[in-house]
Amino acid sequence: DGGITQSPKYLFRKEGQNVTLSCEQNLNHDAMYWYRQDPGQGLRLIYYSQIVNDFQKGDIAEGYSVSREKKESFPLTVTSAQKNPTAFYLCASSIRGGRAGNEQFFGPGTRLTVL
Amino acid sequence: AQSVTQLGSHVSVSEGALVLLRCNYSSSVPPYLFWYVQYPNQGLQLLLKYTTGATLVKGINGFEAEFKKSETSFHLTKPSAHMSDAAEYFCAVSGGGNFNKFYFGSGTKLNVKP
Repeated sequence: DGGITQSPKYLFRKEGQNVTLSCEQNLNHDAMYWYRQDPGQGLRLIYYSQIVNDFQKGDIAEGYSVSREKKESFPLTVTSAQKNPTAFYLCASSIRGGRAGNEQFFGPGTRLTVL
Repeated sequence: AQSVTQLGSHVSVSEGALVLLRCNYSSSVPPYLFWYVQYPNQGLQLLLKYTTGATLVKGINGFEAEFKKSETSFHLTKPSAHMSDAAEYFCAVSGGGNFNKFYFGSGTKLNVKP
C-alpha cells in the first residue's frame, strides 16, 4: 500500500538534545512538508521541499533543520535551539509542490515530548 | 494573502442530527479549498476538496461542502451525525504563490452525543 510513514510515534527528549524525526513516502510525490500542531492552533508549516536536494523555510523554521537527499525521505531535526519543542509533528506530501490545488497526504504523526 | 477562519472551536450535536461546521476564507486568487478530518493522535485524512467546477462537493463518509464565492465560505455538512464522526475537522485553502502552500484553520472539534 502506498502512503507516508513517520517514526517513532512517540519520542521523548531531554532538554539540550537534538532529535530527528523520520518521514518516508512511497507515493512517488515530488513535494514534502513538515508541520507542527499545537492544541487550538491548527497546523503551522516548518519546512517544505518541492524537489530533491532543495528545501525552503516555512513559517516557523527557527530551531529546526531538514534534508532531502532522496525523493522518498524528508527527515526533520529538532535542535536544542527550539525553545518549546513539545508538540505533534506531521509530515505530508503532494504530487507536485509548484502547483496549487494538489491535495496533501499526511502521515500518522510523531508526538514529541521534552522532559 | 490567504487565511481561513473556522467559527466554533467545539461543536456538539446529537446522533442523527445535522452537522454544520463553518469555514470562511480569505484569498486574493481563486481558491482551492479542502476539508480534512483528524482522529486523536492520528494524521489528517482528506474528506473533500473544491478546485473548479461544481460548487457542491461530495466527500467521504456522507460529508459535503458548498463553495460560495459571494460569501467566501466553504461550510461542511452532513445530514445525520454518527458517533464515529466525533473528531477534529480542519478547513484549508491553497492557491497562488509558487508552491502548494496550505493555510489551515484552527480546527473544530465535533462531539456527537448518543
